[in-house]
Amino acid sequence: QSVLTQPPSVSAAPGQKVTISCSGSSSNIGNNYVSWYQQLPGTAPKLLIYDNNKRPSGIPDRFSGSKSGTSATLGITGLQTGDEADYYCGTWDSSLSAGGVFGGGTKLTVL
Amino acid sequence: EVQLVQSGAEVKKPGESLKISCKGSGYSFTSYWIGWVRQMPGKGLEWMGIIYPGDSDTRYSPSFQGQVTISADKSISTAYLQWSSLKASDTAMYYCARRESYYDSSGYYNYWGQGTLVTVSS
Repeated sequence: QSVLTQPPSVSAAPGQKVTISCSGSSSNIGNNYVSWYQQLPGTAPKLLIYDNNKRPSGIPDRFSGSKSGTSATLGITGLQTGDEADYYCGTWDSSLSAGGVFGGGTKLTVL
Repeated sequence: EVQLVQSGAEVKKPGESLKISCKGSGYSFTSYWIGWVRQMPGKGLEWMGIIYPGDSDTRYSPSFQGQVTISADKSISTAYLQWSSLKASDTAMYYCARRESYYDSSGYYNYWGQGTLVTVSS
């Protein structure tokens, strides 16, 4: 059971938009920055969004991030078949058992 | 170019010990935290712990505290993850990754190793 809750799967057609939610608590998302990662099959995770809404160099602006309270959202517009992957949110948890935490992951299917 | 290169796949028996490595290059190894992440077959990412090679400050997830040891040798820019007695449930892909911020509140990972597959089977 992950500390951060994501939907197991989402789907949308090519060219459409999809959002992936990540729900936490005041000890993690509520007081720390959120990052998002894309993991294509058989590869290492890749950073998509950091500090809630910033994109690393090379990440297209089709990918966006936002945070409100204890939840965060990843948005992907203009879906492409190459976006089909697993997506994870991550942050720091400042509770007594402090440490990094990830969501359970969301499988994106581009129909 | 920043690179994290991990050691190769391992096949071990239950009860055996193991130490896998993650060698950093292209940056100041002592200035960035290195984290370890487990991914069991068909499952999600699990944060295991991190080490700051500059002073060897190490933090563990409660789930992994006492189960593994994270260390680093800054003289050869290499971080390690080790087990003293492997179990079948340790079978997984293990990734190292560089944390971009010194501060926990902005703990994101922009550079990842290629992963080390550890298989534990009798």
